[in-house]
Amino acid sequence: DAKTTQPTSMDCAEGRAANLPCNHSTISGNEYVYWYRQIHSQGPQYIIHGLKNNETNEMASLIITEDRKSSTLILPHATLRDTAVYYCIVRVALAYNNDMRFGAGTRLTVKP
Amino acid sequence: DTAVSQTPKYLVTQMGNDKSIKCEQNLGHDTMYWYKQDSKKFLKIMFSYNNKELIINETVPNRFSPKSPDKAHLNLHINSLELGDSAVYFCASGGQGGNIQYFGAGTRLSVL
Repeated sequence: DAKTTQPTSMDCAEGRAANLPCNHSTISGNEYVYWYRQIHSQGPQYIIHGLKNNETNEMASLIITEDRKSSTLILPHATLRDTAVYYCIVRVALAYNNDMRFGAGTRLTVKP
Repeated sequence: DTAVSQTPKYLVTQMGNDKSIKCEQNLGHDTMYWYKQDSKKFLKIMFSYNNKELIINETVPNRFSPKSPDKAHLNLHINSLELGDSAVYFCASGGQGGNIQYFGAGTRLSVL
């Protein structure tokens, strides 16, 4: 079962920042927060992951609260191609016997 | 070059038939996975192989049998196909203990 809670859907205006929240109040000390997205009819795509520090890459930023019970994925300038289902997953890293447990995710719609 | 490739992309077959889906990764990863995404869009792990050894085997009917001839390949064979097997099947691979998983484009299986 997924250990995260996300809103079912969100809208965002093109060019604006999209902030996607995720609650993971039962996260363990050795679990990372991963974000993936699935664009319609494609396979899931890795976005970013982090343990406790904020992370940034070319796709997005990940902000994790100090108590690690929630996080926010930020797409700084959303485009129409960012319309997708975004999944927040908590998982122990470096564990090949620990798969990605996908929940229902947040359906983000970027509007012109 | 496609990192994780699955064939075929679409598979339409009759109930009772046996079919296989092939997956190959050129990322040099040790771990490969099969996921199933049903009509409600939930992604669920089916199997995981690490260095050709079965690691994860979720509650999947024994009509489903994964085969890993080498680290770069994980094929899925399905016997006696049923209507409920209709879904999109995704292959994935992960390096360094599956830290980040890379997914194929999916195989859409329709059982008539």
